[in-house]
Amino acid sequence: NAGVTQTPKFHILKTGQSMTLQCAQDMNHGYLSWYRQDPGMGLRRIHYSVAAGITDKGEVPDGYNVSRSNTEDFPLRLESAAPSQTSVYFCASSYTPVKGAQNQPQHFGDGTRLSIL
Amino acid sequence: QKEVEQDPGPLSVPEGAIVSLNCTYSNSAFQYFMWYRQYSRKGPELLMYTYSSGNKEDGRFTAQVDKSSKYISLFIRDSQPSDSATYLCAIVNSGGYQKVTFGIGTKLQVIP
Repeated sequence: NAGVTQTPKFHILKTGQSMTLQCAQDMNHGYLSWYRQDPGMGLRRIHYSVAAGITDKGEVPDGYNVSRSNTEDFPLRLESAAPSQTSVYFCASSYTPVKGAQNQPQHFGDGTRLSIL
Repeated sequence: QKEVEQDPGPLSVPEGAIVSLNCTYSNSAFQYFMWYRQYSRKGPELLMYTYSSGNKEDGRFTAQVDKSSKYISLFIRDSQPSDSATYLCAIVNSGGYQKVTFGIGTKLQVIP
């Protein structure tokens, strides 16, 4: 099925451990982004990428790293997990918007539920 | 004050009712307006997308934008139990690259 695939669906980490959340899309979208969703708060963007080899910080990037080696994959890395990073993480993709032009609606994966003890 | 305000609900309505979901926003730079539906333990899916004031209709769904009041609405006609989900408003800031501000979502339950 076409879309955005995230793995794993659930994971529990201990404080200080590292973890990579996987995101893969098969819609040939150029733009990929990571969001976190917390109770009482709207989705917040962590990092994004407009093409392979190009990444940039979103609005809440601290404690997270990303890389983009090809069009399909966009992994999110937590180097030293903290309890404040307990959240549901969503990867989203869209066609690459041209700056200043019409925004491109995003397609979301089903999320990774991450608990950090 | 949050840039986007949305009542979290929950909102319970009987099947067949007209549902009205709303968001207010504070930033005049917001230009594009979206509504997403999110089922439990799933990712958000795009329902409606508009960039102008006025109404946009798609089946049982109508999105309404009033830029002068900074107020957006989603109406659901003939609501069905399958509409039970959380509805997120999402607004794009023209000043940032694909910068979307999401509301916290309104949880809707349609009772058969």
